[in-house]
Amino acid sequence: AQSVTQLGSHVSVSEGALVLLRCNYSSSVPPYLFWYVQYPNQGLQLLLKYTSAATLVKGINGFEAEFKKSETSFHLTKPSAHMSDAAEYFCAVSASFGFKTIFGAGTRLFVKA
Amino acid sequence: GAGVSQSPSNKVTEKGKDVELRCDPISGHTALYWYRQSLGQGLEFLIYFQGNSAPDKSGLPSDRFSAERTGGSVSTLTIQRTQQEDSAVYLCASSLEGGLASTDTQYFGPGTRLTVL
Repeated sequence: AQSVTQLGSHVSVSEGALVLLRCNYSSSVPPYLFWYVQYPNQGLQLLLKYTSAATLVKGINGFEAEFKKSETSFHLTKPSAHMSDAAEYFCAVSASFGFKTIFGAGTRLFVKA
Repeated sequence: GAGVSQSPSNKVTEKGKDVELRCDPISGHTALYWYRQSLGQGLEFLIYFQGNSAPDKSGLPSDRFSAERTGGSVSTLTIQRTQQEDSAVYLCASSLEGGLASTDTQYFGPGTRLTVL
């Protein structure tokens, strides 16, 4: 079975500060991991994904995430927040052996001027 | 079209009525997914279509929910005898090759916001 937990339903940062959105997963097989972003009044779009290649994955808009097997984590980071980063972010897990994609509850990111 | 489209964008209905939600996937995408997004909840998987294979209905919450995909393209999600707890945003996504465990990117539509009074 697989599951994903996003720590913190709301995260608030100042513009220019580090963004850190936490995601921990549980998987009985090697996972594939995703971050999706949902901007206000828009659909979800893929930010980045890990599919068993490099553990540090770079995505769009300066975001990156690192797969840490020992910590079962896939935290999303961005060195410097921009106002346009305000959105809801979803972590998701699937696997290569017939497991459906499971989404986390989401983390809403607020960016203060 | 350029992306996944869904209609209507908003639907308000009375408890007990049936509703139909439509999804037009990206042309050429063989896989289509329906999710439900409730306030404060993550994305709840509902159903998955892949080509001509039998759909994976394991996420449908009750037998009031059903979906079909005609001609491998457009999909309709039907909710019969709607209840207030059905109120949510219903999202459709498609991907090129599919497989629930695929690494293919899912492209999401804007969703249909359903309100059951």
